[in-house]
Amino acid sequence: DGGITQSPKYLFRKEGQNVTLSCEQNLNHDAMYWYRQDPGQGLRLIYYSQIVNDFQKGDIAEGYSVSREKKESFPLTVTSAQKNPTAFYLCASRHPGSGSGANVLTFGAGSRLTVL
Amino acid sequence: DQQVKQNSPSLSVQEGRISILNCDYTNSMFDYFLWYKKYPAEGPTFLISISSIKDKNEDGRFTVFLNKSAKHLSLHIVPSQPGDSAVYFCAAMQNAGGTSYGKLTFGQGTILTVHP
Repeated sequence: DGGITQSPKYLFRKEGQNVTLSCEQNLNHDAMYWYRQDPGQGLRLIYYSQIVNDFQKGDIAEGYSVSREKKESFPLTVTSAQKNPTAFYLCASRHPGSGSGANVLTFGAGSRLTVL
Repeated sequence: DQQVKQNSPSLSVQEGRISILNCDYTNSMFDYFLWYKKYPAEGPTFLISISSIKDKNEDGRFTVFLNKSAKHLSLHIVPSQPGDSAVYFCAAMQNAGGTSYGKLTFGQGTILTVHP
């Protein structure tokens, strides 16, 4: 089955520690995205990557870092500089090409990070 | 600046009746709109979309209406089923098919509860 795998599903971190969230896709999608969800708020874009070895900051990139060394993988590191890291993190990818289907993002199941 | 707003945090509907979820936006440059459905601790799943050149799109029980002059869209679910109970997010995209591929702006979400 093709899809997006995020791990771990639940993660606890002490203040001051960096943590890396994994996102792997086998959909052969070029573009990948990281969103954050907080209670009562919509999803907010952290980083996105349109192609391997290239990525762009989203609306709330401060305190986060990413890499895109392989097409299938787009890990997100939550650094100690992120002031409010407790949230639900969602990875997504986008179907390549043109047409209306290219505007649809496919999401993973998410990773819940809690800072103790 | 909340460019996409879902002003109703929750909606409760009886099974078999119509559910109407509303979404307002402020950015007149948005040209593609999507609805996603999300269950707790899972990633959002794509439901239905509409281009700004249309005012209606229908897929089975789900219909999305777009009123560009009012900057308003709505999702109608008829008939509603208990399995429809979830959080519904509307999302908007600017310059769909261009450089903003996949950069979605989400509303806060509406919790739909369908009672048997």
